[in-house]
Amino acid sequence: DAKTTQPTSMDCAEGRAANLPCNHSTISGNEYVYWYRQIHSQGPQYIIHGLKNNETNEMASLIITEDRKSSTLILPHATLRDTAVYYCIAPVAGGYNKLIFGAGTRLAVHP
Amino acid sequence: NAGVTQTPKFQVLKTGQSMTLQCAQDMNHNSMYWYRQDPGMGLRLIYYSASEGTTDKGEVPNGYNVSRLNKREFSLRLESAAPSQTSVYFCASSEEPANYGYTFGSGTRLTVV
Repeated sequence: DAKTTQPTSMDCAEGRAANLPCNHSTISGNEYVYWYRQIHSQGPQYIIHGLKNNETNEMASLIITEDRKSSTLILPHATLRDTAVYYCIAPVAGGYNKLIFGAGTRLAVHP
Repeated sequence: NAGVTQTPKFQVLKTGQSMTLQCAQDMNHNSMYWYRQDPGMGLRLIYYSASEGTTDKGEVPNGYNVSRLNKREFSLRLESAAPSQTSVYFCASSEEPANYGYTFGSGTRLTVV
């Protein structure tokens, strides 16, 4: 699995964009980048994933650098309910994409 | 509602007791997974099943066994519980290949005393 590096914690003001970075410098050409979040002690929730192109869905946007060595998850208008631990994961592609979670980034959204 | 159902939600065991954690999904997913999460830590993969009839070890398989009973159900068994197995256990499922993300259950909170 590609190793990912994320900041331990971040803060964001409510209503502002939250930009969560992730380094995955050892990622190979066919490995996707996945983002999940875990609110309090609930089960992790899938947010978004991408390979090369930037991606957007109803929850977030994912910006992947051209060399694919890093990515940024963007929550365009953070709310208090976005306070969670965010995990960036790059599993081994092909066959069985088992996800190996790191420590993630603890995002605190404050009023 | 479609999703992953785990039972029980809470359990307290004495050291040496055995138990089985149950997991069922109704999304017709091929792959299923068991993770554990210790306080303040990320999730660690215990076992996974890529498809019905197959199981493989993850990062921390020692002390556990699994059974993929059918396509819907994937159980995790602790034969002789130890305090080090106190944790929250999450089951997940996914399509194969997992390009649509995993769906996680709400977890089983296990305490071994």
